Amino acid sequence: GQNIDQPTEMTATEGAIVQINCTYQTSGFNGLFWYQQHAGEAPTFLSYNVLDGLEEKGRFSSFLSRSKGYSYLLLKELQMKDSASYLCAVRGGYGNKLVFGAGTILRVKS
Amino acid sequence: ETGVTQTPRHLVMGMTNKKSLKCEQHLGHNAMYWYKQSAKKPLELMFVYNFKEQTENNSVPSRFSPECPNSSHLFLHLHTLQPEDSALYLCASSHPFEGPSTDTQYFGPGTRLTVL
Repeated sequence: GQNIDQPTEMTATEGAIVQINCTYQTSGFNGLFWYQQHAGEAPTFLSYNVLDGLEEKGRFSSFLSRSKGYSYLLLKELQMKDSASYLCAVRGGYGNKLVFGAGTILRVKS
Repeated sequence: ETGVTQTPRHLVMGMTNKKSLKCEQHLGHNAMYWYKQSAKKPLELMFVYNFKEQTENNSVPSRFSPECPNSSHLFLHLHTLQPEDSALYLCASSHPFEGPSTDTQYFGPGTRLTVL
């Protein structure tokens, strides 16, 4: 089966940088996704990694190490609107399924 | 606005009621999904449809019955639900998997279901 772990909650200060980690175990890895979900809203796609390394998109970057089963989402110049849940999802395993972690609730304080 | 809409946004029903959730996507996708999201738990995949055919049923109780009349619409018919079925039900759509990144899923806002 697949197993995904990410911290339950994190708090950071406006303007700072925060790193949200995700570790996973899966067979037949076929990509890792990060989604942002504000309370009561749809999860929205942030980034996708399938090869090792860093993918940068504006203030958000995502890193993957397949050999370590590890990814992180890096948020720079934090804004209050970045307060949300961040979901790590891994595709792989039998049937090439997309499996989600429980999410990390990020609270940005002023 | 992700191009995926869901109605109703909120639903309260008794255990003997029958209701339906509706999902519509305007993204030209051919795969559609139902997920259940409970508090502090991971998103749970319920059903997958590819080109209107059900390709996955993740051991979902028969009191949940999906329907996909075409690639743009997906329904979830509910009957004799239990209080533990109260959750946020999310619909998503994507292109079918054909290689890395081709099947990124886009989600609707969800239906908040409360079963009394």
